[in-house]
Amino acid sequence: AQKVTQAQTEISVVEKEDVTLDCVYETRDTTYYLFWYKQPPSGELVFLIRRNSFDEQNEISGRYSWNFQKSTSSFNFTITASQVVDSAVYFCALSEVNQGGKLIFGQGTELSVKP
Amino acid sequence: NAGVMQNPRHLVRRRGQEARLRCSPMKGHSHVYWYRQLPEEGLKFMVYLQKENIIDESGMPKERFSAEFPKEGPSILRIQQVVRGDSAAYFCASSRPGGASSYNEQFFGPGTRLTVL
Repeated sequence: AQKVTQAQTEISVVEKEDVTLDCVYETRDTTYYLFWYKQPPSGELVFLIRRNSFDEQNEISGRYSWNFQKSTSSFNFTITASQVVDSAVYFCALSEVNQGGKLIFGQGTELSVKP
Repeated sequence: NAGVMQNPRHLVRRRGQEARLRCSPMKGHSHVYWYRQLPEEGLKFMVYLQKENIIDESGMPKERFSAEFPKEGPSILRIQQVVRGDSAAYFCASSRPGGASSYNEQFFGPGTRLTVL
């Protein structure tokens, strides 16, 4: 069965600190996609990244970076030099190709960045 | 090209009333997904539809909930005889059609926040 676990419910950091959000997934499929979404206080869902199961290259986009490790079924997200505007709930999600593309979301991690 | 549109953005209903939530997918998108976010929880898949067909409704409650995506017009998520536990944010996402080996990104709407009094 598919499952996404975000063990950290809440994280609080001070501005400029680095922070890593953990994501562990379970799937029996060999072909799947992993995602991160941001949900700011305004409530909309903002797409951050999509990775497929065959591409384990780490990715960096500005202050954001992602570490995908199939060996540990993890897809962790790091924000470098955090800012107050990074305060939001972050969701990790899994989609299996054979399941029609529906997204299985983790419970979310609420990140609070204090000035 | 407008994004996914949902209306209303906020909906208030009294217990026992019906709620109708609308989702207009992006132009060219024929796949629609509905998700529910209960307070303090993550999003949960409800139903996946293509034009005039329900493909996967494994996440839909068995009673009071229904969804449709007609040939013309928006997708509708209908909740009959609402109860307080239905209060949540309902998100819809749309995607292009694709082959079995491809994946097309889902674009999310802004959500409809349903409050049941």
